[in-house]
Amino acid sequence: EVKLVESGGGLVKPGGSLRLSCAASGFIFSSYNMNWVRQAPGKGLEWVSSISSSSSYIYYADSVKGRFTISRDNAKNSLYLQMNSLRAEDTAVYFCARVSSSTSGADFDYWGQGTLVAVSS
Amino acid sequence: QPVLTQSPSASASLGASVKLTCTLSSGHSSYAIAWHQKQPEKGPRYLMNLNSDGSHIKGDGIPDRFSGSSSGAERYLTISSLQSEDEADYYCQTWGTGFHVFGGGTKLTVL
Repeated sequence: EVKLVESGGGLVKPGGSLRLSCAASGFIFSSYNMNWVRQAPGKGLEWVSSISSSSSYIYYADSVKGRFTISRDNAKNSLYLQMNSLRAEDTAVYFCARVSSSTSGADFDYWGQGTLVAVSS
Repeated sequence: QPVLTQSPSASASLGASVKLTCTLSSGHSSYAIAWHQKQPEKGPRYLMNLNSDGSHIKGDGIPDRFSGSSSGAERYLTISSLQSEDEADYYCQTWGTGFHVFGGGTKLTVL
């Protein structure tokens, strides 16, 4: 069974930092591209960042570029999101998501349950 | 990059069918999309990949009640024999090199 479990969320002050983790199981993690997606309270889904299976390709949404860093450790089956210079508008539930290998596209076929990040003074 | 437009809300009766629409912006009508279901307090659930020709591949365990179709720049999700647990937000997603885009979501109410 494919499982993605996020952790590391919490309450942080503006300007602070937080590191999210996503533990993967039930599939060969090192073979899949991975992503972070967030949902602010009352809002829709927003893509945050992508990383290829070997970390060769990394992309960010403009809203987080220069502040967030995505990484992965294939030996530990884990995905990370280092978030610096946090702002109130970064408050959201953060999900990790796996890119499908069953289609020719880059759709997200498995998602975690999410971890809440709240940025407030 | 493409923009995906969805109606904010839709409603249909228990046992009926509903067709949700995701519209790709001008010049992007060939893009494939994915449909996802988002229930409160849960992670999103992948429903299917949907190509411009209407062919689709459903996610693991997705019932036959969920189907997809396409026409031009429009991508559809049809849910038949609506059940109470289908009440959720539905998002379409597309992608390209270096980006992913979500539609604004449609809140489906089952009456």
